[in-house]
Amino acid sequence: GQNIDQPTEMTATEGAIVQINCTYQTSGFNGLFWYQQHAGEAPTFLSYNVLDGLEEKGRFSSFLSRSKGYSYLLLKELQMKDSASYLCAVMDSNYQLIWGAGTKLIIKP
Amino acid sequence: ETGVTQTPRHLVMGMTNKKSLKCEQHLGHNAMYWYKQSAKKPLELMFVYNFKEQTENNSVPSRFSPECPNSSHLFLHLHTLQPEDSALYLCASSQGTSGGPGELFFGEGSRLTVL
Repeated sequence: GQNIDQPTEMTATEGAIVQINCTYQTSGFNGLFWYQQHAGEAPTFLSYNVLDGLEEKGRFSSFLSRSKGYSYLLLKELQMKDSASYLCAVMDSNYQLIWGAGTKLIIKP
Repeated sequence: ETGVTQTPRHLVMGMTNKKSLKCEQHLGHNAMYWYKQSAKKPLELMFVYNFKEQTENNSVPSRFSPECPNSSHLFLHLHTLQPEDSALYLCASSQGTSGGPGELFFGEGSRLTVL
C-alpha cells in the first residue's frame, strides 16, 4: 500500500528552527507538496519538490531525497503565527495525491 | 482569501435530513475537488470534476451526491448521513488535472456534525 509518515505533533520555541520530516512509500513519484493549515482555515500551498535538493523560500525551505523516500520542511526564525498543521502530500505514478495525516506544530514563547 | 469560498461554514444535521454544501471558485480553474478531513487522518479525496465532468469517485457512499453545474461551482448533496460522516469537508480547485492537480487552492471548509 501507499503510505506517508509524518510526526503527529511537534513543539518549538519562538525564534528557533524546526524541521518537520516526511517519509513516503508510494507507487512511483511525481513530486511532493507541503501545505500549511491554520486551525479553522484552508490549507495553503507552501512548496513543491520534484528533484532532489533544497528549495528555499524565505524562512521556509523544503528538502527532497527521492532515493530515501524522504522530505523535510525547515522553518527558521519561528514566529507565533507559524503554529499550524503542516501537510505532506506525494503525487504517485498515476498523478494521484497521497496525503500524510499532518504535523501539528506548536510554537511557545 | 484563497479564491475558493465554501458555504455553510458549519452545519449540524440529523441522520434523516437533506442538506447541501456549496463551493465557488473565482480563479478561473477547470478542476474542482471534494475532500473529507477527519481529525488526525490524511485528507480523503472524494470526487474530482474536470471541465464539469466527474473524473473520479473514490468509492464514496451514495448518501453523498456531488453536482458540478459549471467549472466555477461545486455542490455536495447530503442525505441520510451517519454520525461517522461528521468531519470537515474541503473543496479545492486547480488549473486542471492533466499531469496531476498541481497546486491546489482550498476553501476554508464546511464543518459537518451529524447527530
